[in-house]
Amino acid sequence: DQQVKQNSPSLSVQEGRISILNCDYTNSMFDYFLWYKKYPAEGPTFLISISSIKDKNEDGRFTVFLNKSAKHLSLHIVPSQPGDSAVYFCAANLGGGGTSYGKLTFGQGTILTVHP
Amino acid sequence: DSGVTQTPKHLITATGQRVTLRCSPRSGDLSVYWYQQSLDQGLQFLIQYYNGEERAKGNILERFSAQQFPDLHSELNLSSLELGDSALYFCASSVVDGTGELFFGEGSRLTVL
Repeated sequence: DQQVKQNSPSLSVQEGRISILNCDYTNSMFDYFLWYKKYPAEGPTFLISISSIKDKNEDGRFTVFLNKSAKHLSLHIVPSQPGDSAVYFCAANLGGGGTSYGKLTFGQGTILTVHP
Repeated sequence: DSGVTQTPKHLITATGQRVTLRCSPRSGDLSVYWYQQSLDQGLQFLIQYYNGEERAKGNILERFSAQQFPDLHSELNLSSLELGDSALYFCASSVVDGTGELFFGEGSRLTVL
């Protein structure tokens, strides 16, 4: 059962435009959502996160939106740059309360290509 | 550079064999996590250790085991290997069990022939 889904395997965007990566989840108990970025031959690196009590979190060019009623989150990158070309993973955890924050459930990833 | 070191980077072995993957966490990090990424799949959580003790477990096969040593490095042991065990194995670490912001190593690519 895929509890976190990224339905778009790939996304191609022109430099300077907005990139929107989407993620859907099924488990309403998820408490924290994160985005990780991965370059080839490297491990994933943390990008941005959002708590379930918020609907938006912004960090520079990156903004994550959370719609709990729709069980949907999205990552917006504005403006997109060629260096943003990577695989982006959406992840979620159940938070504290006896379980582990580091026990993340990942989506399959979306390959973002930003063309100059 | 995340500060998390994994060895070996690549490993090729045969079915039925046993291998050990090693991870050194970032200096000061007490938690170590192991994840498996199979072809075209997202990362799957295997197991977490915190300061030497098992903290959380995912869908880790009985043929797999892990431990964290007093110096906080960790090893993932994979035995009776099958073709389907071919994957990238990532180790990650964090200072405490916080929000899920993990620091990942570059991974160990295991190929079972």
